[in-house]
Amino acid sequence: EVQLVEAGGGLIQPGGSLRLSCAASGFTVSSNYMSWVRQAPGKGLEWVSTFYSGGNTYYADSVKGRFTISRDNSKNTLHLQMNSLRVEDTAVYYCARDYYDSSDETHYYYMDVWGEGTTVTVSS
Amino acid sequence: VVLTQSPDTLSLSPGERATLSCRASQSVSRRYLAWYQQKPGQAPRLLIFGASDRATGIPDRFSGSGSGTDFTLSISRLEPEDFAVYYCQQYGSSPRTFGQGTKLEIK
Repeated sequence: EVQLVEAGGGLIQPGGSLRLSCAASGFTVSSNYMSWVRQAPGKGLEWVSTFYSGGNTYYADSVKGRFTISRDNSKNTLHLQMNSLRVEDTAVYYCARDYYDSSDETHYYYMDVWGEGTTVTVSS
Repeated sequence: VVLTQSPDTLSLSPGERATLSCRASQSVSRRYLAWYQQKPGQAPRLLIFGASDRATGIPDRFSGSGSGTDFTLSISRLEPEDFAVYYCQQYGSSPRTFGQGTKLEIK
């Protein structure tokens, strides 16, 4: 079964750091584009970052320079290192797989598999 | 690309037809628009991609249409489990962006 399971959320003070993990099963993380999407309380969805299968990484302007996306191929896991956290980073963070069409060998930037999310609360 | 969804809230009864709108601030290239459904406490679920293609396992009462800057998600006959929040997302331009969502509630 294709599945994503996030972990690592919690309560952290402003300026602190947190590392989120996303364990994948049923498919290989390194062969796919993998993304983080967040949702502030009562708000909509916001794309945060993507790790391309070839190794390139991309970030939303709101987190650039503070967040780092990485992957551990041996553990089939995606990570999000979050530094210099701000109150406005409070959200549920979802890990998601970008869709890959094997018929035309094309990666698309919409998400077909999502984890259940992990909650990050930044507060003093 | 800024996506604006309307209405913010749609109140309908089971069995009725729902029409949700998503308007983009500039043309969405190659009809690269997706729709997601999100229920309380759950992750989003992919419904539609490529503006009109249903994702695997999505009932045919869900349909998507549109091109350029105007897109629509239609639900032909509402079932009780369809009441949720719906988001559109464009992936034709970087960065990918989402609409603010439309809440479909039971009247």
